[in-house]
Amino acid sequence: GAVVSQHPSWVICKSGTSVKIECRSLDFQATTMFWYRQFPKQSLMLMATSNEGSKATYEQGVEKDKFLINHASLTLSTLTVTSAHPEDSSFYICSASSQGANGYTFGSGTRLTVV
Amino acid sequence: QKEVEQDPGPLSVPEGAIVSLNCTYSNSAFQYFMWYRQYSRKGPELLMYTYSSGNKEDGRFTAQVDKSSKYISLFIRDSQPSDSATYLCAMTGHTGTASKLTFGTGTRLQVTL
Repeated sequence: GAVVSQHPSWVICKSGTSVKIECRSLDFQATTMFWYRQFPKQSLMLMATSNEGSKATYEQGVEKDKFLINHASLTLSTLTVTSAHPEDSSFYICSASSQGANGYTFGSGTRLTVV
Repeated sequence: QKEVEQDPGPLSVPEGAIVSLNCTYSNSAFQYFMWYRQYSRKGPELLMYTYSSGNKEDGRFTAQVDKSSKYISLFIRDSQPSDSATYLCAMTGHTGTASKLTFGTGTRLQVTL
């Protein structure tokens, strides 16, 4: 089946620094990838839709200058959390589909802790 | 009102019990319905996918969709401790690879020995 690889699985960074999270589709090409944020015991909140070769589409309330998304190839999307603050600490997950609504595959997630 | 409502639980059942998980939704445009299982600190994995109304069975799992009531269910038979996880319902109105999924809040399930 389709595999989405996400790295790192966890990261600790200092306030004010930037952190990059990578999401790769290993065995299929993904023109669209999605980035989610998940707080403890809560559901996935869609942050943005990453489009290969064009600008990402951000959901209402998500700061595009803080959460930079780059989708430079059909197999790689990156999310950079810039000038991270403790309130950015969360679980970030990406997903992509190889075959429509029944084919969404999620990465294993990245736990970000900002200290 | 949220587009998708799901009881967060936690739901605790003994091993071997039949588990019933449910979601209600308000958007009549939703046609594709999914159930995901998420273990702690992991990404969700797809369990069941159903298009429109009806039932679908896969091993110990059965998914039901009642579009007239805007109600979907996931049944787990002979529940096992390894089924302990959070179960998320998700749905969308389109089937393309750029279709956004709308998720429920997830139900935490604990299967005890």
